[in-house]
Amino acid sequence: ETGVTQTPRHLVMGMTNKKSLKCEQHLGHNAMYWYKQSAKKPLELMFVYSLEERVENNSVPSRFSPECPNSSHLFLHLHTLQPEDSALYLCASSQGGGSTEAFFGQGTRLTVV
Amino acid sequence: AQSVTQLDSHVSVSEGTPVLLRCNYSSSYSPSLFWYVQHPNKGLQLLLKYTSAATLVKGINGFEAEFKKSETSFHLTKPSAHMSDAAEYFCVVRPNTDKLIFGTGTRLQVFP
Repeated sequence: ETGVTQTPRHLVMGMTNKKSLKCEQHLGHNAMYWYKQSAKKPLELMFVYSLEERVENNSVPSRFSPECPNSSHLFLHLHTLQPEDSALYLCASSQGGGSTEAFFGQGTRLTVV
Repeated sequence: AQSVTQLDSHVSVSEGTPVLLRCNYSSSYSPSLFWYVQHPNKGLQLLLKYTSAATLVKGINGFEAEFKKSETSFHLTKPSAHMSDAAEYFCVVRPNTDKLIFGTGTRLQVFP
């Protein structure tokens, strides 16, 4: 256990559905991240939140909408996804600053049908 | 610009033989460097980190890495591979920001 918990672990959704991924950390960290991991592709940074403010959005389509209501929780709201959005979505947290490592959750395996 | 290059996409070794996973980085600043491991259908677990202290860093499960500034390298090694080491390994650089930059990963196979 890394202290970062993601739910659900697996999700199958249709292209017209709306769903949300949840990430929770109890490590006292002030930065949280969403990454997308697709087969045969490098890990892609999607969003970065620092002190509950979004500090990075790496050209992610608007069908992905992040929310960080407090420093312990991070959501990724999904709507009208495409099959190519099927991937492992990883959440991570860290204590801000240059030298500290990030702690990752187990990921949510998303399948869009 | 900051970047990290993992030189091998796949590495295969026999159980009990040494492991070498190569990583080169590019950074304008004095970076922090990390190695993470990912077993199938799992999240990423930190193996070790370099943060400008000792250049030889020891991690979990017998892994270690040496920071060589002159070669801009941070290769991961282990003297003797175990079957449970089979996984994907990621070299990561963290410039002096909240951003982590991942390499493309190296898949390690260990044969009996």
